[in-house]
Amino acid sequence: EVQLVQSGAEVKKPGESLKISCKGSGYSFTSYWIGWVRQMPGKGLELMGIIYPGDSDTRYSPSFQGQVTISADKSLGTAYLQWSSLKASDTAIYYCARRIGLRYFVDYWGQGTLVTVSS
Amino acid sequence: DIVMTQSPDSLAVSLGERATINCKSSQSVLDSSNNKNYLVWYQQKPGQPPKLLINWASTRDSGVPDRFSGSGSGTDFALTISSLQAEDVAVYYCHQYYSIPGTFGQGTKVEIK
Repeated sequence: EVQLVQSGAEVKKPGESLKISCKGSGYSFTSYWIGWVRQMPGKGLELMGIIYPGDSDTRYSPSFQGQVTISADKSLGTAYLQWSSLKASDTAIYYCARRIGLRYFVDYWGQGTLVTVSS
Repeated sequence: DIVMTQSPDSLAVSLGERATINCKSSQSVLDSSNNKNYLVWYQQKPGQPPKLLINWASTRDSGVPDRFSGSGSGTDFALTISSLQAEDVAVYYCHQYYSIPGTFGQGTKVEIK
């Protein structure tokens, strides 16, 4: 059974760093792209970027380039989303999601990680 | 980036009635080399991740009730729920994956009238 299991909720202060994770199982982790999707409170879905764990090829959406870093450790079967300096506006639910190919749709989603940034 | 615009932002439909959501892309998402539209529809209920309903603009995903259908090509698409059920109350998103990494519409909230 394909599963994407994300790390737990986080509460951080502005300016702090953070790295959240997404562990894939039940499939060949290195053969599928993993994307990260932001959902701010009461708002819609925004695709932040995608990574191919097989060779760490990473593509960012223009709005998120330079704002976050997406990475993967294929030995651990885990993808990551990290911030070096959080802002209150980073408060959101973050979903990881699997897609078969670069130009393909998401077929499995993680359960989401709530990140709250507040002083 | 391709901009996806859904209409309406919300709609209220009586149980058993038809609901139609439109999605327009700022550029064509049809690949003429394979005649495929790189567009999907997702359903999201509160507290849950999105669920895939329709892929390649018009193919129902496995297990999706046949009251859901997708149509359109190029830049104009629609999701139709032929007979609204209580469990269909949700937010619906179109998503294009023609351009990398892809973009979502802003979402359409469907409620019971």
